[in-house]
Amino acid sequence: QVQLQESGPGLVKPSQTLSLTCTVSGGSISSGNYYWSWIRQPPGKGLEWIGFVYYSGSTYYSPSLKSRITMSLDTSKNQFSLNLTSVTAADTAVYYCARLGYAFYFDLWGQGTLVTVSS
Amino acid sequence: QSALTQPASVSGSPGQSITISCTGTSSDVGAYNYVSWYQQHPGKVPKLIIYEVSNRPSGVPDRFSGSKSVNTASLTISGLQAEDEADYYCSSYTASTQVFGGGTKVTVL
Repeated sequence: QVQLQESGPGLVKPSQTLSLTCTVSGGSISSGNYYWSWIRQPPGKGLEWIGFVYYSGSTYYSPSLKSRITMSLDTSKNQFSLNLTSVTAADTAVYYCARLGYAFYFDLWGQGTLVTVSS
Repeated sequence: QSALTQPASVSGSPGQSITISCTGTSSDVGAYNYVSWYQQHPGKVPKLIIYEVSNRPSGVPDRFSGSKSVNTASLTISGLQAEDEADYYCSSYTASTQVFGGGTKVTVL
């Protein structure tokens, strides 16, 4: 079955760029009808939608993070990625990659990766 | 884009029914039938339990049900069980974006 796995540094310095990759296994990222998404959860807090990238490459971002986000697909590696610039301590969170279905529900999630912003 | 509004906590005794509300606006919950609910146990990954307002994925017990009225969606857990103690989040599609509720902690007394 399809599985998602996040990877990337667990520690990022303030003002630097957070970069994460999600590897999709068991299915093609370009098969259509899915939006490949990033969601984060600060420690002890709720879920926050970051953005998603469609299989065509079109991107949709949270208005509150839009100025700092870039998301992209790498179909050759069956991966999608997130770059978040100018990070601060407020960006410390567990970052999840997830698959968003045609009716806009997150049916598959990665295990999540904790990213801490600290000097 | 504002977060959907959920009560911070709801509690009930085993066997009872509880309902969690999720209030949005005419631009999100009220505009689309794309409301979903997620269950998250401590330290675990969120799990989809309701999609398109009232549909349950395979494997989700039928004691979980969803509904919507105007701008408010609701999740009802009937016959509450100890294993239902968790955090619950609603989510809605809105104009090419997604929004989550703040989450509700369900306590089984």
